[in-house]
Amino acid sequence: QKEVEQNSGPLSVPEGAIASLNCTYSDRGSQSFFWYRQYSGKSPELIMSIYSNGDKEDGRFTAQLNKASQYVSLLIRDSQPSDSATYLCAGPTMIKAAGNKLTFGGGTRVLVKP
Amino acid sequence: NAGVTQTPKFQVLKTGQSMTLQCAQDMNHNSMYWYRQDPGMGLRLIYYSASEGTTDKGEVPNGYNVSRLNKREFSLRLESAAPSQTSVYFCASSAPTGFTDTQYFGPGTRLTVL
Repeated sequence: QKEVEQNSGPLSVPEGAIASLNCTYSDRGSQSFFWYRQYSGKSPELIMSIYSNGDKEDGRFTAQLNKASQYVSLLIRDSQPSDSATYLCAGPTMIKAAGNKLTFGGGTRVLVKP
Repeated sequence: NAGVTQTPKFQVLKTGQSMTLQCAQDMNHNSMYWYRQDPGMGLRLIYYSASEGTTDKGEVPNGYNVSRLNKREFSLRLESAAPSQTSVYFCASSAPTGFTDTQYFGPGTRLTVL
C-alpha cells in the first residue's frame, strides 16, 4: 500500500474557481507535509509546507492538515491557467541524525480552463 | 547561486552500457537525494546521503550505486543499464526547516535505455 495517496485527476476547473486537492497518508508519525508543483517537463518546486493541524495560507494557496483523519489538502483560489500543473503531496520520515526521506503521492494533474 | 544542478540533461544508452549522472548543489546543504520519476508512479527515492561520507538505500536502489564525493556533489551510477531504468532522474538537496527538512530539486536528467 502506497503511504501517500492522491487522486491522479485530471482535475478540471474553470478560471477563477477554487481547485481543491486532497492527499491521504498512512504514517501516523508524520509531522509535516509538503505540496510541490510540477509543470510538464520540469522539476518539482515547493509551494507550501504545513506542520500543524489546521490551515496555512500563502497568497492564493491554502494548505489544510488533519492529523486525526490523516489527510492534507491544498486549495488554490482564483485559479489561473498558469496553475495548470501536477501537484505532488509529500510526507517525510526522519532518517538517522539528519535529513528526511520524502514519500510522494502520485500527483494530481490540474487543468485550469480559461 | 545556481541551486541544484544536474548533468547531463538528456541521455540515450544501449542496454548494458554504464553511465554516471552528476549532481551538485551550492547551498551548503548536508543532505542529498536521488529520485526517479515514472509516469503515474510519482517520485521514488533511489539513494540518499544524510551527510558527507554517508549513503543509504532508498525505496528502489537495485541497479544503482552512488558516491557522495564531497559536501557539494552526489553522483548516481548505472553499471549496466536496462530498459526498466528509462526514467527521469531528479537530484535534490535539503536544509532544516522547522521540524523537518525542505528539499530542493535539480532540473532532472531524462534517460532512455534502448
